[in-house]
Amino acid sequence: AQKVTQAQTEISVVEKEDVTLDCVYETRDTTYYLFWYKQPPSGELVFLIRRNSFDEQNEISGRYSWNFQKSTSSFNFTITASQVVDSAVYFCALSENTSGTYKYIFGTGTRLKVLA
Amino acid sequence: DTGVSQDPRHKITKRGQNVTFRCDPISEHNRLYWYRQTLGQGPEFLTYFQNEAQLEKSRLLSDRFSAERPKGSFSTLEIQRTEQGDSAMYLCASSLFSGEAFFGQGTRLTVV
Repeated sequence: AQKVTQAQTEISVVEKEDVTLDCVYETRDTTYYLFWYKQPPSGELVFLIRRNSFDEQNEISGRYSWNFQKSTSSFNFTITASQVVDSAVYFCALSENTSGTYKYIFGTGTRLKVLA
Repeated sequence: DTGVSQDPRHKITKRGQNVTFRCDPISEHNRLYWYRQTLGQGPEFLTYFQNEAQLEKSRLLSDRFSAERPKGSFSTLEIQRTEQGDSAMYLCASSLFSGEAFFGQGTRLTVV
């Protein structure tokens, strides 16, 4: 069965602190994709990153970095030097070729509050 | 604006009425998805189209729900005989083959 778990419901940090959002996934497929999306108060899901199951290299994009570890089925997301504009709900998602659809299975999200 | 467009953004309807939502995907995207999101939850998959073919429907999609994507372009999601439990944000997304999905701003449905 496919499942994505985001155990942290809500995190509050003070601006400029680093914060890590956890994501643990379950899948039986060997080929799959992992994603992070940001949902600001406006409601639109904003794509942040896609990682395929064969690429375990960590990635850094500005203040954002992602740590993918297949051994622990985790795909964690770190924001360095957080800013108030980072306040949003962040979703981790898994996509695999079930029935050929590559539909996305989302976690329940982590609400990040960055305080000035 | 070349993103995914959804219309209307908000819909308030009385229980028992039918509603229809529209999604215009990014023009070159052949895949289109509908998701539903309730408060405090992640989006849940409803259905998927590849071009005009509806290839998968979730068990969440009761027989009161129907989706179409004529000619592989825009898509509509209709809910017949709405119930209060249908109140949610309905999200549309599109993608290229196995690419990342881009989401619209959603249609918020309130059934009173």
